[in-house]
Amino acid sequence: GAVVSQHPSRVICKSGTSVKIECRSLDFQATTMFWYRQFPKKSLMLMATSNEGSKATYEQGVEKDKFLINHASLTLSTLTVTSAHPEDSSFYICSAVGEADGETQYFGPGTRLLVL
Amino acid sequence: GDSVTQMEGPVTLSEEAFLTINCTYTATGYPSLFWYVQYPGEGLQLLLKATKADDKGSNKGFEATYRKETTSFHLEKGSVQVSDSAVYFCALSGNTNAGKSTFGDGTTLTVKP
Repeated sequence: GAVVSQHPSRVICKSGTSVKIECRSLDFQATTMFWYRQFPKKSLMLMATSNEGSKATYEQGVEKDKFLINHASLTLSTLTVTSAHPEDSSFYICSAVGEADGETQYFGPGTRLLVL
Repeated sequence: GDSVTQMEGPVTLSEEAFLTINCTYTATGYPSLFWYVQYPGEGLQLLLKATKADDKGSNKGFEATYRKETTSFHLEKGSVQVSDSAVYFCALSGNTNAGKSTFGDGTTLTVKP
């Protein structure tokens, strides 16, 4: 149980285009989803907290107009990187917290984004 | 605010060696404590957790005990394998935003045959 998927696993795009990453909780309803960014050999950087049906809460320094987050249902959150630039290239990871536990984060496998 | 401090890596061990990765935390109240593992190119997986003082979390031969008096949650394994090579993250979930966790910087473990 507690499986979280992400799609796509890898994406290469041209500078200036937008990329959407999906995060799904497959076998539980996620009250909250989190989006992280991870640089090589670095820890996780929390970007935003997403609750179903409400606006995402962004961490300080994260541009909300650049990283659009939509949490349309209790099993799906999306992160759209708008007008992507090479410096947005990174490993993006989502996690989800279920109603039953309320504190354990279950992570997706991550999405590798490369902006050319 | 809450914080987690992990032993700096990288850690390199021979197969069957004993592993300890230190983790200490600062938090108000009574947080839950976690160890997550990240294998190369993948997301994080929950390894074990403990929700109150003196609880011991265990999984796949790994153990960690919630020590409130020393605010620690050290990860141990008696005999590591090459397949344990990964990055290990200590984390806590406090009393604030539901599910929001504070992570340590991660410790890279390499086990050589």
